[in-house]
Amino acid sequence: SQQGEEDPQALSIQEGENATMNCSYKTSINNLQWYRQNSGRGLVHLILIRSNEREKHSGRLRVTLDTSKKSSSLLITASRAADTASYFCATDYWASGSRLTFGEGTQLTVNP
Amino acid sequence: GAVVSQHPSRVICKSGTSVKIECRSLDFQATTMFWYRQFPKQSLMLMATSNEGSKATYEQGVEKDKFLINHASLTLSTLTVTSAHPEDSSFYICSADRSYGYTFGSGTRLTVV
Repeated sequence: SQQGEEDPQALSIQEGENATMNCSYKTSINNLQWYRQNSGRGLVHLILIRSNEREKHSGRLRVTLDTSKKSSSLLITASRAADTASYFCATDYWASGSRLTFGEGTQLTVNP
Repeated sequence: GAVVSQHPSRVICKSGTSVKIECRSLDFQATTMFWYRQFPKQSLMLMATSNEGSKATYEQGVEKDKFLINHASLTLSTLTVTSAHPEDSSFYICSADRSYGYTFGSGTRLTVV
């Protein structure tokens, strides 16, 4: 079952701008991950943040995690048209085995 | 890096027929694979967890007799959609757990006509 909500559901920005997507979840977690999906394709792992971490960077990506609010954000800086895709957060928790629970996703469109 | 090869990427079949989707881990052994279904503009819904050498674990509401999962080796898991109907048309994706995250196959677009 889906436990995460993401907002916004859709985001349209201009190239060069920053894009921020938020994810909320309902249960305890071990890890939270962000994935990217181009239309009709598989998922690409972007970044994993553990429950004891608060912030993580990878290139133009910055992820924050607030376990007290059960929320995470993904920031993409200096966006490019090639960043156009759907972005999903996913959580896992030891009590659920290795299963991932996905958020609803944000459709990001970066206009050239 | 770890690669999961999934095929076919697209398949069109007639109602009542069965379709097999394969996922192979190319450079690692996957004792566990996960199968997801995704409807257009929606998120991924976990269907089942496939365990090498044992029966798959299905999520609530997923018909195990309709979606047959076989994980006969450490590098191959298959999902067979039996007696497919138009409502089974969807995007099916497999994934394997890696220590740094999950690796996903490229997905299979199933269209039942």
